[in-house]
Amino acid sequence: GAGVSQSPSNKVTEKGKDVELRCDPISGHTALYWYRQSLGQGLEFLIYFQGNSAPDKSGLPSDRFSAERTGGSVSTLTIQRTQQEDSAVYLCASSPMTARNEKLFFGSGTQLSVL
Amino acid sequence: LAKTTQPISMDSYEGQEVNITCSHNNIATNDYITWYQQFPSQGPRFIIQGYKTKVTNEVASLFIPADRKSSTLSLPRVSLSDTAVYYCLVGEGSSSGSARQLTFGSGTQLTVLP
Repeated sequence: GAGVSQSPSNKVTEKGKDVELRCDPISGHTALYWYRQSLGQGLEFLIYFQGNSAPDKSGLPSDRFSAERTGGSVSTLTIQRTQQEDSAVYLCASSPMTARNEKLFFGSGTQLSVL
Repeated sequence: LAKTTQPISMDSYEGQEVNITCSHNNIATNDYITWYQQFPSQGPRFIIQGYKTKVTNEVASLFIPADRKSSTLSLPRVSLSDTAVYYCLVGEGSSSGSARQLTFGSGTQLTVLP
């Protein structure tokens, strides 16, 4: 079956512009996660959704970052007024969350470059 | 949060067994331990998961001592294609069936040499 799909795979933007990153999770997966990975670094947790609800937004780096999920499926991560330090790979993962020992399924990520 | 600590890097040779240990001193009673593998330009991929004692699948074994404050991923007879970053993940306790914040550690870069 189809895995987690992220689009675009690459995005180049100018400093100060807004960008939207999209994640299509595996069908039926109730949980969705966003992570950020800077070059050569580990995964930085940003936000998770249980259905359409995001109980904890404290992982978002600043108020320029926002995320939403509609219909319990597609999620978008929006970065307003992008800065060069926002350049990174943004990874999305989904999980069926059918048991406590959930497994994450990751997409290939969106490489964001802010010039 | 159950913070994890892993070695930054490890080198091995083809055909050897590799053991990567992760420390998670404040693991919660209901937390599972999960290991992921990440190749360059790809998202992490699930390898193995366990709660206690030993778990084995077709690619790896996971050893967890009784106190659960650490875990060891064992890769038998590694090949060049096992060169990747390996992450240990311990979830934050929450009610059953609910999503929760899952924080990855820094990962271990395993390099397999010919």
